[in-house]
Amino acid sequence: SQTIHQWPATLVQPVGSPLSLECTVEGTSNPNLYWYRQAAGRGLQLLFYSVGIGQISSEVPQNLSASRPQDRQFILSSKKLLLSDSGFYLCAWSGRARGPYNEQFFGPGTRLTVL
Amino acid sequence: QKEVEQDPGPLSVPEGAIVSLNCTYSNSAFQYFMWYRQYSRKGPELLMYTYSSGNKEDGRFTAQVDKSSKYISLFIRDSQPSDSATYLCAMSQDTGRRALTFGSGTRLQVQP
Repeated sequence: SQTIHQWPATLVQPVGSPLSLECTVEGTSNPNLYWYRQAAGRGLQLLFYSVGIGQISSEVPQNLSASRPQDRQFILSSKKLLLSDSGFYLCAWSGRARGPYNEQFFGPGTRLTVL
Repeated sequence: QKEVEQDPGPLSVPEGAIVSLNCTYSNSAFQYFMWYRQYSRKGPELLMYTYSSGNKEDGRFTAQVDKSSKYISLFIRDSQPSDSATYLCAMSQDTGRRALTFGSGTRLQVQP
């Protein structure tokens, strides 16, 4: 069966510090991978998605970046955090579907607080 | 205007009640409609998905889509305290990147 891991689970960082969040998927190969952010009381905002190693698409211009160094590893980074980067970060994966829709499976999330 | 609107709640109901959760949307290109359940401090999990208009039933859950009105609903029958969570609607269009557009979520509390 497939599983998705995210770490750390919680993180408190000062403004201006760097960030690295990691997501790994087990039990599947060549998945589509996604990073979402969920602010308090708001829906999930898609930040990045990837259809393969080294292939990253950005949805929202900001001080965050993403990388996919391995097939089942997705990393979210920042060189200097802002207060507005606080939120709940969710990684998701989906398989290769024949049609337009395929289910996205979410990880447990990382709660980031920037002080 | 947001692409997807959802009443944030909280919606409080007694155990056994029928719950109705709703979303409206503005983008007529959306074709796939999903409902996710998210427990506190957890990632969302998919409850149901439907394609285009119509109804879909799965146990105590029924999803309805009315594309002419750009309105979708999730009904929960015989609600249980374990149904207490935030319910997110999500939608996608056939763009190839398969990303989802989410509503902000409705918090549901089922009182025992």
